[in-house]
Amino acid sequence: NAGVTQTPKFRILKIGQSMTLQCTQDMNHNYMYWYRQDPGMGLKLIYYSVGAGITDKGEVPNGYNVSRSTTEDFPLRLELAAPSQTSVYFCASRVPLRDNEQCFGPGTRLTVL
Amino acid sequence: DAKTTQPPSMDCAEGRAANLPCNHSTISGNEYVYWYRQIHSQGPQYIIHGLKNNETNEMASLIITEDRKSSTLILPHATLRDTAVYYCIVKDWSGNEKLTFGTGTRLTIIP
Repeated sequence: NAGVTQTPKFRILKIGQSMTLQCTQDMNHNYMYWYRQDPGMGLKLIYYSVGAGITDKGEVPNGYNVSRSTTEDFPLRLELAAPSQTSVYFCASRVPLRDNEQCFGPGTRLTVL
Repeated sequence: DAKTTQPPSMDCAEGRAANLPCNHSTISGNEYVYWYRQIHSQGPQYIIHGLKNNETNEMASLIITEDRKSSTLILPHATLRDTAVYYCIVKDWSGNEKLTFGTGTRLTIIP
C-alpha cells in the first residue's frame, strides 16, 4: 500500500487564485480528514468525511470546500486564496477498528502571496 | 475532549530512555490517551494509545497513572531519528472527529 498520498508537495498562489489539493488513499478507509498546520502550531481540522458522498465541517472550514465522490479520493478546494491560507495541509485517513489512529500524508506546503 | 499540558521542549542523550510527560487532569472515564509524533516537515505519525492500563508496542511504552490524570510516553533507547515534536491527545468516542493537536513537546536527541 502507498498509504495516503498528497499532491502537490509545494505550491505558490497569488491572492484570489484557486487550486485543488489532492489526497488519495489506497487502504479502503472510510474516514478521511483535512488539517492545516500554521508555523509553530498544532494541527487544526478543516473538513472530514465518514465515507463516499458524506462530508462535514471541522474547526476551520471557512475558505475551503471538499468533495468525496469515491472512497479513495478526498480533494480540498481553495476558491479565492488569501494570505491567511498560507500553511501546510495534511490529509489523513482513519484506520478501521483502531480507535482514533490516523494515517497522515506527507503534506502540501502552500504559500499565498 | 480534555485539555493536555506538555513541556515545550526536552533533550535526551542518544541511547538513553526518553520520558515524555503529559498532564490531563480533567480526563473523563471514556477518554483515551493518544500519542503522535511529527518529524520535521512530515505528517504526524501514530505511536500508541491507552485507556487505563499501561501499553507497549514496538515503538514505545505508555504509562498512565492510576488516577489517569497524567501519563508518560517512554522511548526506551532513543536514536537521532526520534527527534520530533510529540503530541499527547485525549479523545473519546463521542463521534466528534476532531483530534486536537496542541503544540506538543519538541524532543531533541543529543548525540
